[in-house]
Amino acid sequence: GDSVTQMEGPVTLSEEAFLTINCTYTATGYPSLFWYVQYPGEGLQLLLKATKADDKGSNKGFEATYRKETTSFHLEKGSVQVSDSAVYFCALMNRDDKIIFGKGTRLHILP
Amino acid sequence: DTAVSQTPKYLVTQMGNDKSIKCEQNLGHDTMYWYKQDSKKFLKIMFSYNNKELIINETVPNRFSPKSPDKAHLNLHINSLELGDSAVYFCASSRWDEQFFGPGTRLTVL
Repeated sequence: GDSVTQMEGPVTLSEEAFLTINCTYTATGYPSLFWYVQYPGEGLQLLLKATKADDKGSNKGFEATYRKETTSFHLEKGSVQVSDSAVYFCALMNRDDKIIFGKGTRLHILP
Repeated sequence: DTAVSQTPKYLVTQMGNDKSIKCEQNLGHDTMYWYKQDSKKFLKIMFSYNNKELIINETVPNRFSPKSPDKAHLNLHINSLELGDSAVYFCASSRWDEQFFGPGTRLTVL
């Protein structure tokens, strides 16, 4: 079945460091891909998305590119801030319009 | 202005009790969901409703029963609560591909 695999956390970085959180997927056809973020004590909210191959989603300094050849959608940010500390979920929506989430990656940013 | 709201925010109860969690969305979306998030933050879909009809029913004990009185509401009733039901339960809604989540209900079963 369709699935999403993302790197296990927690990931701990210093402020202003470069961030990469890896995400790969398995799906039939061309799913839409998403990154959601969950701040402490809150629900998930959409961070960015890409709906077709080679699309780049971006928001709040975060970016991810839909790579069909490697079935990946890695999340990157050039300079993280303490306020980026959260849990990040990679997700896909398959051709049945079912959304499948990865297990989440907890990110800690140290001042 | 709250898009997706849930009540209560916290729920502490004894094993064996029956409890309900309510969810409302004012976004005009057709589809609503219930998710369960465990202590390791793993998110699992439980149910999905589209225009008041059940469309996704994952492997969930039949002690859990969703009810959608109208398109804007999806409530979750849980019978005979067990320790393993302790988790954060999220309601969400969507129209196309983006999901909008509520703030969650933290259920603790003692």
